[in-house]
Amino acid sequence: QVQLQESGPGLVKPSETLSLTCTVSGGSVSSGSYYWSWIRQPPGKGLQWIGYMYYSGSTNYNPSLKSRVTISIDTSKNQFSLKLSSVTAADTAMYYCVRGYFTKWFDPWGQGTLVTVSS
Amino acid sequence: NFMLTQPHSVSESPGKTVTISCTRSSGSIASNYVQWYRQRPGSSPTIVIYEDNQRPSGVPGRFSGSIDSSSNSASLTISGLKTEDEADYYCQSYDSSDHFVFGTGTKVTVL
Repeated sequence: QVQLQESGPGLVKPSETLSLTCTVSGGSVSSGSYYWSWIRQPPGKGLQWIGYMYYSGSTNYNPSLKSRVTISIDTSKNQFSLKLSSVTAADTAMYYCVRGYFTKWFDPWGQGTLVTVSS
Repeated sequence: NFMLTQPHSVSESPGKTVTISCTRSSGSIASNYVQWYRQRPGSSPTIVIYEDNQRPSGVPGRFSGSIDSSSNSASLTISGLKTEDEADYYCQSYDSSDHFVFGTGTKVTVL
């Protein structure tokens, strides 16, 4: 059974870059059957899709975040990563890494990691 | 891009049926699959319906999904309501550029 686990700093200063890693166990990020996504949820609010990457290297980002987002994959470590630059308090959220199916649904989700943007 | 609007909250007694709507602001609801996720307090979302009306293994038959083109909306119906169904529910779809959109979320309260 595939499991995903986020890791990274829980506190990031304004204007800096948020960096998170998702470790995949029980499956391979090199599988051609899925894509690997990040989704976030500000405290008390709804879900926002950030973007995804396919193992081949193709990416797709939320247009509202595209200028600040980079998603990458490290097949040797079976991990994928998120970088979000120039963060502000509005980027404070629970960040989830998620596996995506080609028929456009997400499962499973990692447990999430809370990132707070504050000086 | 489009929006998916859900009622803020619904409530019903145990054993009853609740239906949550998800209305697409532009474009046809039928043109792209709709998914539904349940998020219990303090937990990650989990899929309960995919591809409009398909149930993953492990999700009870009390959960069903449907699409109504006349109202340009999708619906999640939970029958035989149980206290364990109390959670936030989100619909999700996408556009022709593979940009994903989540609904505004609905809090289900079991009275």
